[in-house]
Amino acid sequence: NAGVTQTPKFRILKIGQSMTLQCAQDMNHNYMYWYRQDPGMGLKLIYYSVGAGITDKGEVPNGYNVSRSTTEDFPLRLELAAPSQTSVYFCASSYSTLTTPLYEQYFGPGTRLTVT
Amino acid sequence: KQEVTQIPAALSVPEGENLVLNCSFTDSAIYNLQWFRQDPGKGLTSLLLIQSSQREQTSGRLNASLDKSSGRSTLYIAASQPGDSATYLCAVRLYNNNDMRFGAGTRLTVKP
Repeated sequence: NAGVTQTPKFRILKIGQSMTLQCAQDMNHNYMYWYRQDPGMGLKLIYYSVGAGITDKGEVPNGYNVSRSTTEDFPLRLELAAPSQTSVYFCASSYSTLTTPLYEQYFGPGTRLTVT
Repeated sequence: KQEVTQIPAALSVPEGENLVLNCSFTDSAIYNLQWFRQDPGKGLTSLLLIQSSQREQTSGRLNASLDKSSGRSTLYIAASQPGDSATYLCAVRLYNNNDMRFGAGTRLTVKP
């Protein structure tokens, strides 16, 4: 299993540009998450999904959008990039059911984004 | 609002020492607590997951404890090695909510 994969690894955007960060997992996990990590800070949840077709906002959703059309993929869209969105973005996944409510999260390697 | 704090922010110890990393949280209504390791420029690796009904979990030289009533968790690392050098983060999953709140981490350096 490749686990959780993210592309690209690095990206520089100009203010006002848009882009999509890709995330895929091959563990058949139903939950997927997007976080951002600013220097010296903990991770903050942007959006999450509990299954294909279902998404919800986390702590810091403004300026981002997500979709979940398949179990495997969970892309994060940045519209009108701003310098405040300079950060490292992590995608994660976990598996949980009513009988197996584990929620242990597995993380991708991250995408380092700079907006100038 | 749930706040997660990790003290100290950085710790340097000689090889072989036993050490404790601390994590505190303000709201005891958590579903579980997870400890992660993060190497520079890398993603997070899960170390231990403690459900709210559990008191501790062990994996090799690592032992994590949870005291929900006092809002505290500790990660004990026995016989530390230079390869243990990394940033250690704790995160709590809020009860009846899919949100996770992370601490800022403790950066550990183990000197040979």
